[in-house]
Amino acid sequence: EDQVTQSPEALRLQEGESSSLNCSYTVSGLRGLFWYRQDPGKGPEFLFTLYSAGEEKEKERLKATLTKKESFLHITAPKPEDSATYLCAVQLLTTDSWGKLQFGAGTQVVVTP
Amino acid sequence: DSGVTQTPKHLITATGQRVTLRCSPRSGDLSVYWYQQSLDQGLQFLIQYYNGEERAKGNILERFSAQQFPDLHSELNLSSLELGDSALYFCASSVQGAGGAEAFFGQGTRLTVV
Repeated sequence: EDQVTQSPEALRLQEGESSSLNCSYTVSGLRGLFWYRQDPGKGPEFLFTLYSAGEEKEKERLKATLTKKESFLHITAPKPEDSATYLCAVQLLTTDSWGKLQFGAGTQVVVTP
Repeated sequence: DSGVTQTPKHLITATGQRVTLRCSPRSGDLSVYWYQQSLDQGLQFLIQYYNGEERAKGNILERFSAQQFPDLHSELNLSSLELGDSALYFCASSVQGAGGAEAFFGQGTRLTVV
């Protein structure tokens, strides 16, 4: 069974304290791995797509990396506005999956001043 | 602003009733996806339409149905509502139907069944 597991469930950081979030996946075939950010009561906001092991993408203080079994979202010198729930999702290779995303439960990040 | 518009933002209704949620995708996007988010289940894929045709089905109850119209907007119909149907319902859209295209989410409809 395809599974996406995110850890930790929650993370509390001081402003400027860098850390990493983990997304491990067990799937039959990976087409792509996606990272989203979600603020309370809002829709997920797209951050990154990674397609192959070794790929990295960066956006401001965020950097996403991908291996064959997991992905990491590194937050460098976070600010309070980086507080959110970060979701990872996988898109499968099977043709009947088309574009649907299978999400992990998310990591809730709180950055305090 | 993702460019995906969902209405209404909030909906309160009684058990046994039927409601319709509406989604307008981003301009140019042919695929529409519906997701349900509840506290205990997280984000769950319900159904996908591509250019008017159903393309993928997830954990969608038989009491729920959806369609995509010629102008590409989509509606999710929820009937015989139960308390457990209370959740955030998100619509997302992407350019492509099959893999590789990023999906952009709307702000959601919060459904409360009382």
